[in-house]
Amino acid sequence: DSGVTQTPKHLITATGQRVTLRCSPRSGDLSVYWYQQSLDQGLQFLIHYYNGEERAKGNILERFSAQQFPDLHSELNLSSLELGDSALYFCASSPEPALNTEAFFGQGTRLTVV
Amino acid sequence: SQKIEQNSEALNIQEGKTATLTCNYTNYSPAYLQWYRQDPGRGPVFLLLIRENEKEKRKERLKVTFDTTLKQSLFHITASQPADSATYLCALNPYGNKLVFGAGTILRVKS
Repeated sequence: DSGVTQTPKHLITATGQRVTLRCSPRSGDLSVYWYQQSLDQGLQFLIHYYNGEERAKGNILERFSAQQFPDLHSELNLSSLELGDSALYFCASSPEPALNTEAFFGQGTRLTVV
Repeated sequence: SQKIEQNSEALNIQEGKTATLTCNYTNYSPAYLQWYRQDPGRGPVFLLLIRENEKEKRKERLKVTFDTTLKQSLFHITASQPADSATYLCALNPYGNKLVFGAGTILRVKS
């Protein structure tokens, strides 16, 4: 168990809908990273938050947004969903803002858009 | 463009042998390189981190090398076991707070 909790584990929704994925980092970790993993693309970095502030952005679509709350949990909002958004979404946490330590990944949320 | 390349073909080896996985990168100068293990449908699990000024790092049956001149890292599992079968991902931070992953290599260890 990595200590990172993601909910829900599975989500099935229709095209055009909006969903929210939730991540609770390990106790004491200030950094949260979101990744998307689809079969043909591998792990794609989406966004990084450190102590409530956005620190880095990857290939995150405009339809996607994220935030980190004062209690350090993070939410990834996906709107106007398309079939191609079906993927595993992982969050990871680490204690530092820089990547000189390991990242701890949650078990992921499997999103299926039908 | 910036790329991280790992063997796209699965690596099949016999139990007890040493597995060697390769990670090549271009147009990056990472300060750190990490290796993760991922089982199907699960999140990646950290294995080892090596810094640019380190040539080699070991942890139990695992060994990682980092050649910044060749822009390559090798990941070795000695005395491999069927339980080592998984996808192995290399990851590096090209700059700032971004960890970029390779596509991964599937390792299958047969008994």
